[in-house]
Amino acid sequence: KNQVEQSPQSLIILEGKNCTLQCNYTVSPFSNLRWYKQDTGRGPVSLTIMTFSENTKSNGRYTATLDADTKQSSLHITASQLSDSASYICVVSAWGGADGLTFGKGTHLIIQP
Amino acid sequence: EPEVTQTPSHQVTQMGQEVILRCVPISNHLYFYWYRQILGQKVEFLVSFYNNEISEKSEIFDDQFSVERPDGSNFTLKIRSTKLEDSAMYFCATSDSTNRYNYGYTFGSGTRLTVV
Repeated sequence: KNQVEQSPQSLIILEGKNCTLQCNYTVSPFSNLRWYKQDTGRGPVSLTIMTFSENTKSNGRYTATLDADTKQSSLHITASQLSDSASYICVVSAWGGADGLTFGKGTHLIIQP
Repeated sequence: EPEVTQTPSHQVTQMGQEVILRCVPISNHLYFYWYRQILGQKVEFLVSFYNNEISEKSEIFDDQFSVERPDGSNFTLKIRSTKLEDSAMYFCATSDSTNRYNYGYTFGSGTRLTVV
């Protein structure tokens, strides 16, 4: 069964600090991995998408990495801002499977002033 | 930036009643999806829809659920006889690529359904 596990479940950091969120997956055959930001009560918004051949991708202060061999991904947030407070969800899709994506439970990130 | 619009934003209904959740996709998108998120849990796939028919559906999407594009614009999710456990946030998502696995889905802001 395809699964996506994220850690930590929640994280509190001070404004301006960096942080790294982790994602491990067992989705096969792997197609791509997305990181989404979900503000409370809102729909997920895509931050990055990576395919098998991509090791890293940046979107502003967000940098995602992918190790397809170990089936791990990370999302690094640099110089955090109060607006970064949200849930960050790792989502993995498989080729040839259902159209649906396999979602992780997310990491709830709180940025404190 | 184009948006996926969902209405209503919040719906309260009595158990056993029918509800229809509506979604207006981005105009050039051809692939449509419904997801739900029970409070405190992860987002779950319900159904995908393309060319006026269901492409895939999950175990959650049983006979009480149905989807359609009644007027070629709106994309709707109908729950025929709601149960308490249907209370969740329902997200519509759309995609514009035949190679949709490699392109990001655009999610709507969701409809919070509360069944009482």
